[in-house]
Amino acid sequence: DAGVIQSPRHEVTEMGQEVTLRCKPISGHNSLFWYRQTMMRGLELLIYFNNNVPIDDSGMPEDRFSAKMPNASFSTLKIQPSEPRDSAVYFCASTTTGTPDTQYFGPGTRLTVL
Amino acid sequence: DQQVKQNSPSLSVQEGRISILNCDYTNSMFDYFLWYKKYPAEGPTFLISISSIKDKNEDGRFTVFLNKSAKHLSLHIVPSQPGDSAVYFCAAGVGGGADGLTFGKGTHLIIQP
Repeated sequence: DAGVIQSPRHEVTEMGQEVTLRCKPISGHNSLFWYRQTMMRGLELLIYFNNNVPIDDSGMPEDRFSAKMPNASFSTLKIQPSEPRDSAVYFCASTTTGTPDTQYFGPGTRLTVL
Repeated sequence: DQQVKQNSPSLSVQEGRISILNCDYTNSMFDYFLWYKKYPAEGPTFLISISSIKDKNEDGRFTVFLNKSAKHLSLHIVPSQPGDSAVYFCAAGVGGGADGLTFGKGTHLIIQP
């Protein structure tokens, strides 16, 4: 099994640019989570999907952030426009609904906004 | 406001000794608790969990203890090995954790030879 795949692994962009982070969950998993890790706030949940449907996006910091899951094997997190305070490591995780033990994380995308 | 708190940013332990990592939480609705381990440039990996109906769960060298009245849990690693050096995150969830997890900020465990 390839595990959760995230791309790109590193992204450096300038303030005001659009950034799109991508995630491919483990095949067969029906829940997908987006987390953000910063020094100040640690690891925080941004949004999660069950069966491709967004369930809770209360963790999304503001309207500049949006996430989609058009099918069971792909999700995107978009930031438009990006700001320096968005610099962080963004993780995607997937699992089968109701089994938090098996919430598998991807390697993360390190985003730097200059 | 942090609902899950790990008050020790780092901890240094000698190889072979016991490592004890602590975690406190404030949300009484949490009913499922997990520990994740993270190496640099990798995502967190699940280590061990405990349901609120239990007060102890053991898996090899790893034991998690839960004190619901004190809203406190701890992870014991015995004996500590060099490969245990990593950042450890405490996480908690409601409804078994199926709706996403709330994480602490992590404790960097350093095992010294």
